[in-house]
Amino acid sequence: DSGVTQTPKHLITATGQRVTLRCSPRSGDLSVYWYQQSLDQGLQFLIQYYNGEERAKGNILERFSAQQFPDLHSELNLSSLELGDSALYFCASSVAGGPGEQYFGPGTRLTVT
Amino acid sequence: GENVEQHPSTLSVQEGDSAVIKCTYSDSASNYFPWYKQELGKGPQLIIDIRSNVGEKKDQRIAVTLNKTAKHFSLHITETQPEDSAVYFCAALLEGNEKLTFGTGTRLTIIP
Repeated sequence: DSGVTQTPKHLITATGQRVTLRCSPRSGDLSVYWYQQSLDQGLQFLIQYYNGEERAKGNILERFSAQQFPDLHSELNLSSLELGDSALYFCASSVAGGPGEQYFGPGTRLTVT
Repeated sequence: GENVEQHPSTLSVQEGDSAVIKCTYSDSASNYFPWYKQELGKGPQLIIDIRSNVGEKKDQRIAVTLNKTAKHFSLHITETQPEDSAVYFCAALLEGNEKLTFGTGTRLTIIP
């Protein structure tokens, strides 16, 4: 158990809908990272927040957004969902904002029908 | 940006034998190289990492080596056990950047 929690574990929704994925980092970690894992794209970095502020952006679509709250939990919002958005979404956390160990949560499996 | 290649994509070894997985990276400014193990239905688990100022690191049956000149790093698992069966990912992090770039993964199967 990494100490990173994610909810929900599974999510099934229809195209065009909007969903919110939630992540709580390990106690004491200030950085939260979001990754998408799909069969054809592998593990792709989406976005990082550090202590409430956006720190880095990866291959995140404009339909996706995220935020980190004062209690350091983070939410990833996915809107206008398409079939291709079906994937595993992982959250990871680390202590600082620089290069260091990132610990992954168990993930949310999103299925768009 | 950084690009990480990982080989092989699948690897089967007899229990007790050694397994080696290799990765190459493209940007010489990368300075942090973690390895993750992902079991079915779980998130990636950090198993070992190495920084660019170190050539080798060992933790019990697991070791990682880094060749900065050739821009490649490898994971070595000795005395393999059935519970080592999983998908392994290498990754690289570019200095000054925050995002990990992952390899495509290696599915390791330990044959009892």
